[in-house]
Amino acid sequence: DTEVTQTPKHLVMGMTNKKSLKCEQHMGHRAMYWYKQKAKKPPELMFVYSYEKLSINESVPSRFSPECPNSSLLNLHLHALQPEDSALYLCASSQDLIGTGHGYTFGSGTRLTVV
Amino acid sequence: SQQGEEDPQALSIQEGENATMNCSYKTSINNLQWYRQNSGRGLVHLILIRSNEREKHSGRLRVTLDTSKKSSSLLITASRAADTASYFCATDATGGFKTIFGAGTRLFVKA
Repeated sequence: DTEVTQTPKHLVMGMTNKKSLKCEQHMGHRAMYWYKQKAKKPPELMFVYSYEKLSINESVPSRFSPECPNSSLLNLHLHALQPEDSALYLCASSQDLIGTGHGYTFGSGTRLTVV
Repeated sequence: SQQGEEDPQALSIQEGENATMNCSYKTSINNLQWYRQNSGRGLVHLILIRSNEREKHSGRLRVTLDTSKKSSSLLITASRAADTASYFCATDATGGFKTIFGAGTRLFVKA
């Protein structure tokens, strides 16, 4: 299995809703990432997990809450989002933080719309 | 900011022509990567070049790296309509633990 699977593919939520994005990989990668991407912009790093521990939080608002239940799963819990949070949320994984020459494997993303 | 800058921002060519995209960055790096993204989908890793390498090939792709100029280029030879996508360079800074993406080049290949 050489894929990162993200669910759901599309999500529409109200500003008072609570929802979660899920990401799964079975490549044995020990680093996992959440990126946010607005239209026609590059991906922006949000969180980095290494060996199931949060390593980097890029000053992301607390309405975004990451969770890494085990080495294969990464969640992003959403609560009280704003319309400007609408974006493509990408999950990625790599063998480790430093990188071993194989780059990152990205999921197809969740297209989030906040209404 | 370490963020890479790419040029051109957009490129339109005919099928069969070569496409060249450039990336510049600001800090010392461990490696530089190129990714392709089709219309709002996930990114696909194309090639990684380490700081001690100068050129790398993969199929129709050729990547060069000039660390003295802090720049890289991606050449796609004999382009196809299916190469239409956005292309991003990304860098892993020396001593850092995160990958930073450039602004991207949107390539349109006309059949």
